[in-house]
Amino acid sequence: AQSVAQPEDQVNVAEGNPLTVKCTYSVSGNPYLFWYVQYPNRGLQFLLKYITGDNLVKGSYGFEAEFNKSQTSFHLKKPSALVSDSALYFCAVREGGFKTIFGAGTRLFVKA
Amino acid sequence: DAGITQSPRHKVTETGTPVTLRCHQTENHRYMYWYRQDPGHGLRLIHYSYGVKDTDKGEVSDGYSVSRSKTEDFLLTLESATSSQTSVYFCAIRNREIDTEAFFGQGTRLTVV
Repeated sequence: AQSVAQPEDQVNVAEGNPLTVKCTYSVSGNPYLFWYVQYPNRGLQFLLKYITGDNLVKGSYGFEAEFNKSQTSFHLKKPSALVSDSALYFCAVREGGFKTIFGAGTRLFVKA
Repeated sequence: DAGITQSPRHKVTETGTPVTLRCHQTENHRYMYWYRQDPGHGLRLIHYSYGVKDTDKGEVSDGYSVSRSKTEDFLLTLESATSSQTSVYFCAIRNREIDTEAFFGQGTRLTVV
């Protein structure tokens, strides 16, 4: 069965520093991988996806994610964090079909 | 929010009562989903629909039913609410271009007392 793990409940970073939010996954076939962001009292917003192709995927708001097949990871990155990036981030995986499995979420705090 | 409206936004109900949550979309998307969000669990799929009158179960479907009599509306019913169903419920629709649940409603916070 497919699964996804976000090993950090919270990530703290100073504004202007690079940020990384970690995600690992488990599927038996080729994964479809996604990142979402959730701001307070809002639904999730799609950030980016990996289906196939380049291992570095670029998405919204300057975010990017690196797919690493050997480490079964899909870490979210941004070169320079903003205070406004503070939010809850979810990694998700789908192995074909219609069902997407979401991680438990990582809360990002960016300090000014 | 791509034309997704959830109603109600907040509800408090008593144990044992039936509750229906509504998701309405204005953009004719085929696939619609109901998720619940709980701390430490992320989002878990309750039910989804791939067309009018076509629905299927997700990973946490016990105690829930759904109906989709027209494209724009996807209803989630808690047949007899329990305290374990206290949660925030999100409706989502799949965007064909992105090929994933791309748009989420603002959520319904349900408290069962």
